[in-house]
Amino acid sequence: DAEITQSPRHKITETGRQVTLACHQTWNHNNMFWYRQDLGHGLRLIHYSYGVQDTNKGEVSDGYSVSRSNTEDLPLTLESAASSQTSVYFCASSDQGGSGNTIYFGEGSWLTVV
Amino acid sequence: DQQVKQNSPSLSVQEGRISILNCDYTNSMFDYFLWYKKYPAEGPTFLISISSIKDKNEDGRFTVFLNKSAKHLSLHIVPSQPGDSAVYFCAATRGFGNEKLTFGTGTRLTIIP
Repeated sequence: DAEITQSPRHKITETGRQVTLACHQTWNHNNMFWYRQDLGHGLRLIHYSYGVQDTNKGEVSDGYSVSRSNTEDLPLTLESAASSQTSVYFCASSDQGGSGNTIYFGEGSWLTVV
Repeated sequence: DQQVKQNSPSLSVQEGRISILNCDYTNSMFDYFLWYKKYPAEGPTFLISISSIKDKNEDGRFTVFLNKSAKHLSLHIVPSQPGDSAVYFCAATRGFGNEKLTFGTGTRLTIIP
């Protein structure tokens, strides 16, 4: 079965460290997204990509970067982790030209910055 | 600036009764709306959607109503079941096929047996 997987599922890191969250999907979807979920804010878009070598900033992109070197993966990098980046991170993917009902979310990565 | 708002953080409903979850939006450019359901430790899953050309969409026990003039939508679950206990997110987007979703803050629904 096709799927979308995130790793690590849980991570604790120190302020100032670089952290990378991996996202891998096997649907061959062109579109991939990273969201963060915080109490009182719902899910907010960090970065997104509509295909290989394409990356775009979302609503809350400061302090984050992504790269898209192949269709399957969109790693999210925190260049210098801050306590404000403690959150649950969700990766998602969808078919090109689809609607929101074709977006599939991963199970989430819990990141704690101490 | 929260463009999609869910003003009720939580809601408790007796099993078998109707659950009504509400969502308001401020951006008049939004024309496609979705509801997602989220269980603990899982990612959100799509539940139901509605285009701005409609005012109602049904799927089994779930119905979404859209009032464009009031910029308000609601999700009705009838009858409510214990498995419906979850966090529900309202989301909106501009243009069918635009995958950039703007989410609300979520409502935690608890169904009381």
